[in-house]
Amino acid sequence: DAGITQSPRYKITETGRQVTLMCHQTWSHSYMFWYRQDLGHGLRLIYYSAAADITDKGEVPDGYVVSRSKTENFPLTLESATRSQTSVYFCASSEGEGELFFGEGSRLTVL
Amino acid sequence: AQSVTQLGSHVSVSEGALVLLRCNYSSSVPPYLFWYVQYPNQGLQLLLKYTTGATLVKGINGFEAEFKKSETSFHLTKPSAHMSDAAEYFCAVSPNTDKLIFGTGTRLQVFP
Repeated sequence: DAGITQSPRYKITETGRQVTLMCHQTWSHSYMFWYRQDLGHGLRLIYYSAAADITDKGEVPDGYVVSRSKTENFPLTLESATRSQTSVYFCASSEGEGELFFGEGSRLTVL
Repeated sequence: AQSVTQLGSHVSVSEGALVLLRCNYSSSVPPYLFWYVQYPNQGLQLLLKYTTGATLVKGINGFEAEFKKSETSFHLTKPSAHMSDAAEYFCAVSPNTDKLIFGTGTRLQVFP
């Protein structure tokens, strides 16, 4: 089915472990984004990408790594997870008109 | 730097009453402005957007917003609330539509 999918939807991990959240879109949108949603902070931009092999930092990039070798995929890696990275993570894609299409989110708990 | 401030983290209205959700922005360049809605356990979806042209923008589900440059505001309204409008609403700003900065959100409750 067409759309944007995130996996896993739920993940529990321990402090210090590496975690990768996957994001896949079928529209061939140029732009892709990773946001985290926390109570009281709304959505904060972690990283975004304007095209394959082009990525840039958002508001809160520390502790995260992204890559975009293919237009349709935009994985987010937490290299050494910390408790402060417990959050709901949303991937989105766009053609740059301001209309972002969001995935259903990945809920990450770091113990 | 651009930012948005949403006044009121929670708003409660009765079914049939006016909905008013407030958003003020800060931008050094003419902004693009957006309202998104998030239903429980879902991602966000676009309600409406202002880029250029008419300052009163109509969106889905009967919502509209007016861009007021003099007040740096982009408040969201709906004349008559419906139970299905209960959700969280986010205002967002962008200098060029390729990257959005979101506000902290306003949770709308609708009582019968």
